[in-house]
Formats: sequence, C-alpha cells, structure tokens
Amino acid sequence: SQQGEEDPQALSIQEGENATMNCSYKTSINNLQWYRQNSGRGLVHLILIRSNEREKHSGRLRVTLDTSKKSSSLLITASRAADTASYFCATTINAGGTSYGKLTFGQGTILTVHP
Amino acid sequence: DAMVIQNPRYQVTQFGKPVTLSCSQTLNHNVMYWYQQKSSQAPKLLFHYYDKDFNNEADTPDNFQSRRPNTSFCFLDIRSPGLGDAAMYLCATSRDTQGHRNQPQHFGDGTRLSIL
Repeated sequence: SQQGEEDPQALSIQEGENATMNCSYKTSINNLQWYRQNSGRGLVHLILIRSNEREKHSGRLRVTLDTSKKSSSLLITASRAADTASYFCATTINAGGTSYGKLTFGQGTILTVHP
Repeated sequence: DAMVIQNPRYQVTQFGKPVTLSCSQTLNHNVMYWYQQKSSQAPKLLFHYYDKDFNNEADTPDNFQSRRPNTSFCFLDIRSPGLGDAAMYLCATSRDTQGHRNQPQHFGDGTRLSIL
C-alpha cells in the first residue's frame, strides 16, 4: 500500500516565489527523505529528516516534520527556473531484518517554475 | 566522481525476448536496489541486495530476476517482457550498516525500456 501521499500534484509558480509541497504518510517512520527528479533522469537526494527532528534546513530548502500528524512539508525559497522538476517524499519504516533502508515513495509533486 | 551508472540509457526489446539491464557503482555501497517507474508514477521497489542477500518484494512478478556478482555490479533480468513492463528502471545504492541506518540512496539515471 502507498505509504506517502503528496499534494499538490502539480505546482506552477514564477521565479522568485516560494514553493511548498506537502507529504503525508500512514505508519511510524524512521526518517523521511525528499528527492528531486528532473525529466528523464534519476532521483537526487535533497534532504533527510529523522523522526526525532522537527525542522531541517539545507540552502534554500526547509523541511518540517510533524510525526503527530504524520506529515512533512518541503519549502523551496526564492525559486529558480532550474528548480523545475518532480519532487518526491519517501519514508523508511521501523522494521526488522533487512528492511531498514527500504524507501516508500509518495506520488510526487511536479513543480514548474516560470522565468 | 563516485557514482551509479546504468547501461544502456535506452533499451528496446521485443515482446517475450529476454533483456538484461546493468548497474555499476563506484561508491562501494553494500546495498543495491532496483526500482520500476512508470510514467508520472512514483518509483516502485522491485528488490534489493543487502550485501549478497537478495530481498524480493512480495508483489514483484517472477518474470523479474536479479544478480549481483560482486559489490560493484547488479543486473536486472526480465525473462519474458510484456507490454506492461515498459518503464524506466532505476538502480540505487546506499551504505547501510549497524552504525549508519537508513542512509540516503544514490540513483543512476535509469534505463528506459520499450517493448515492441
């Protein structure tokens, strides 16, 4: 079953504006990660936030995690045309055996930043 | 630069004709993953290797097999491709140890598979 769901499915903004994407999940997690995917390319890891963290920053990226609501948000500030891509959240769950590193992805948000 | 390399980037095969996709890594990561990603969908994990241990997802069709002859290489074999297997196939690696759990995954650029 799908662990993560994202909204909006698509977001279109102008350069310089901020972009906010949201992710919800269903079960307890070890951590939540955000990935970016340019068209026709592989995924690139952006940021990882652990279940005991509430907020994390990396450059123009800000991620929040609310484990009580089972949700996370990714904020990209001062967006650029080069930020145009699909953004996926992914969770790792508390499980034994060799399930530690398994990622379950949300459906993604397609971000378009217009110059 | 350390990276994950997938070959070929584009692969065309005929319905029912076996095909092999390859992945190599210079990161020396112990875990390697294969994902299937269909158009406008999230990546779906097919299986992964934790060192030499193969871990198949419950819903991965038997048509999909994998081999990992050494740390650096991993192969995805599709024994009898059907039209529904047309997709982007992504390889990823991570370093997962007792001291460093749940590390980020590093992806290759994928192989786009088309079925004629």
